[in-house]
Amino acid sequence: RKEVEQDPGPFNVPEGATVAFNCTYSNSASQSFFWYRQDCRKEPKLLMSVYSSGNEDGRFTAQLNRASQYISLLIRDSKLSDSATYLCVVNIFRDDKIIFGKGTRLHILP
Amino acid sequence: SAVISQKPSRDICQRGTSLTIQCQVDSQVTMMFWYRQQPGQSLTLIATANQGSEATYESGFVIDKFPISRPNLTFSTLTVSNMSPEDSSIYLCSVSEGATEAFFGQGTRLTVV
Repeated sequence: RKEVEQDPGPFNVPEGATVAFNCTYSNSASQSFFWYRQDCRKEPKLLMSVYSSGNEDGRFTAQLNRASQYISLLIRDSKLSDSATYLCVVNIFRDDKIIFGKGTRLHILP
Repeated sequence: SAVISQKPSRDICQRGTSLTIQCQVDSQVTMMFWYRQQPGQSLTLIATANQGSEATYESGFVIDKFPISRPNLTFSTLTVSNMSPEDSSIYLCSVSEGATEAFFGQGTRLTVV
C-alpha cells in the first residue's frame, strides 16, 4: 500500500460547483497533514493545514479523521483559478519524512 | 516561513556530465529535502539532508548518482552525476522544521541531451 494515496483525477468540474478530494495515509505515526496546490511548471505551495477539528479558509474546508487515516479537501463555489494539481501531504516527524501523494488534477470549466 | 533560493532555475546538459544544484535558505533549518518531479508526475523524495550527518537516500536513489552536501543549516547542494536523458526532470529542494509545513525552492528544470 502506498504511503499516501489520492483520488486519481483529473476532475473536470463546471465553474461554481463543489468538488471534494480524498486522501488516505498508511503510517499511523503521521503527525501533520497538509494540502498543497501546484500550478503548472511551479513549485508546490501550501494551501492549508489539516487538523482533527477540521478547518475552513474561505471556500476551502479540510478534514482529518485519524481513526480512519483519511484526509479530505472540499472546494465550494469553484473558480477558474482553482484549476491546479492538489497534493495531499503527510509529515512523519519521527522519521524525518514528508510524504507527498501523487496529486489530483482539477480543471474548472467555464 | 522560509524563503528558499534555488539555482540554476534551468539547464540543458550533455549526457555524461554532472550538474550541481544549490539551495540557500534565509533561516536556519534542520531538515532539508531533495525531490524529483518527472513530467506529469508527483514529487519523489530523493534524500533527506540534515546538517552534521550523511544524507539519507530513498529506495532507488544512491549517493554515487546524487551526492548531497549540507555544510551548514542554511545551505545544501544536490549533484546529478553522469547524467542520462532519463535524468531530465524538475529537481526541488524543500525545508521543514519539526512537524510544520514544507517550503520549496523554485525548482531546477534539467534537460539532458
